[in-house]
Amino acid sequence: DAKTTQPNSMESNEEEPVHLPCNHSTISGTDYIHWYRQLPSQGPEYVIHGLTSNVNNRMASLAIAEDRKSSTLILHRATLRDAAVYYCILRDSPNAGGTSYGKLTFGQGTILTVHP
Amino acid sequence: DADVTQTPRNRITKTGKRIMLECSQTKGHDRMYWYRQDPGLGLRLIYYSFDVKDINKGEISDGYSVSRQAQAKFSLSLESAIPNQTALYFCATSEATGPRRYNEQFFGPGTRLTVL
Repeated sequence: DAKTTQPNSMESNEEEPVHLPCNHSTISGTDYIHWYRQLPSQGPEYVIHGLTSNVNNRMASLAIAEDRKSSTLILHRATLRDAAVYYCILRDSPNAGGTSYGKLTFGQGTILTVHP
Repeated sequence: DADVTQTPRNRITKTGKRIMLECSQTKGHDRMYWYRQDPGLGLRLIYYSFDVKDINKGEISDGYSVSRQAQAKFSLSLESAIPNQTALYFCATSEATGPRRYNEQFFGPGTRLTVL
């Protein structure tokens, strides 16, 4: 499986933007880039995913490099509730038959601390 | 009410005891998963099930077994618990069909298991 590399930790101030980087130099052409986060004492939750184009949703934006070897999760205005461990995950795409597993392989993630 | 529930939330047991962790979901998803998380590490997949009749080993299945009693229920058993199985255990679900079927996994709140 292709691996991802993330900084161990990052810090931000409340209401400022946060850019969480992820390197995935061995990504294959069919790997999707997923981001999950794990709030303290909770299970992980889905944040966003993308393949080639930049993506936006209500939680965050995902910027994908043109060569797809890196990506950045952007939280536009960090809040205290965004303090969590953020996981960048490569996920193989489903096969044409629709039965592919598409598993999630979690690394250590980035611990984001948000200061008031 | 939570969509994915796990029982018990905390359990302390002794080496050699048989332990069952239960997971129930009301999301109507076909796919269910069991992960474990060790301190400071990401999640690792133990078992996964595509439907009631389809159960597959994950990356760390040794020492564990599972039972898919119904679409909504997926149990994880430790036949003879050992101290290095002390960890946080998460159940997750995902859709099997539709445009979101490979996008999100929904996680339960976790079960903290301590084996003395």
